[in-house]
Amino acid sequence: KAGVTQTPRYLIKTRGQQVTLSCSPISGHRSVSWYQQTPGQGLQFLFEYFSETQRNKGNFPGRFSGRQFSNSRSEMNVSTLELGDSALYLCASSLVPDTGELFFGEGSRLTVL
Amino acid sequence: QKEVEQDPGPLSVPEGAIVSLNCTYSNSAFQYFMWYRQYSRKGPELLMYTYSSGNKEDGRFTAQVDKSSKYISLFIRDSQPSDSATYLCAMRGSTGGFKTIFGAGTRLFVKA
Repeated sequence: KAGVTQTPRYLIKTRGQQVTLSCSPISGHRSVSWYQQTPGQGLQFLFEYFSETQRNKGNFPGRFSGRQFSNSRSEMNVSTLELGDSALYLCASSLVPDTGELFFGEGSRLTVL
Repeated sequence: QKEVEQDPGPLSVPEGAIVSLNCTYSNSAFQYFMWYRQYSRKGPELLMYTYSSGNKEDGRFTAQVDKSSKYISLFIRDSQPSDSATYLCAMRGSTGGFKTIFGAGTRLFVKA
C-alpha cells in the first residue's frame, strides 16, 4: 500500500513569491492534516481537512491556505513568502479524523531566500 | 506555558540501555496519546497509540499514560543504534474541535 506522497520534496523560493504544495493521502484515507516543522517551533498544526471541508485551523496568518479535493488529495498554498516560512511542511493522512493516528509523508522542504 | 512539554535532549545512552522518554501536558481534555519516531530527513512515523490511561506494550516499546498526573512516558528496552532518532509525543482530545498537539521532540542517540 502506497504511503503519503508529497510533492515537491524540495523547493527554493524568494521573498514575496507564492508556493503550492501537494499531498496524496494513503488510499482510503479521507482526513488530511498539514504541519509546519522548524527547529525552533517544532511541529505546528496548520489545517485539517475531511471530505473537502476544513475542520480545524492552526494559528497561522491568512497567507497560509489549503484545500482538499473530492479524491482526498490536498494542497496548501503560501502567498507572499517571508524568510520565516522556510520549513519542512508535512502532510499526514488518517482513515478518520479525531483520533491522532496520523501517517506522515516525507515532507516538502521549503527554503525562502 | 506550552500545552505539551517535552525535554528536547539530546539524550545519549549505550546500546542495550533502557531509555525513558517523557512528556507532561496541561489540557485535561486530551484523550489520545501517541508517540512518533522521526529519523533525520524523514516524516514522523507512528510508534505507539493509546486511548485514555494505562500501559501499552509493543515489542521493546512500552507506553504509559497517567492522566491524573498529566504525564506520559515511552520506554525502550534493549536500545539499539537503529533507535537513534527524534521521539515526539503527541496528544489530542476526542472531539472535532481538537487538533493533534506535538511535543518538541527528544533527540536520542544510542551508542554502539
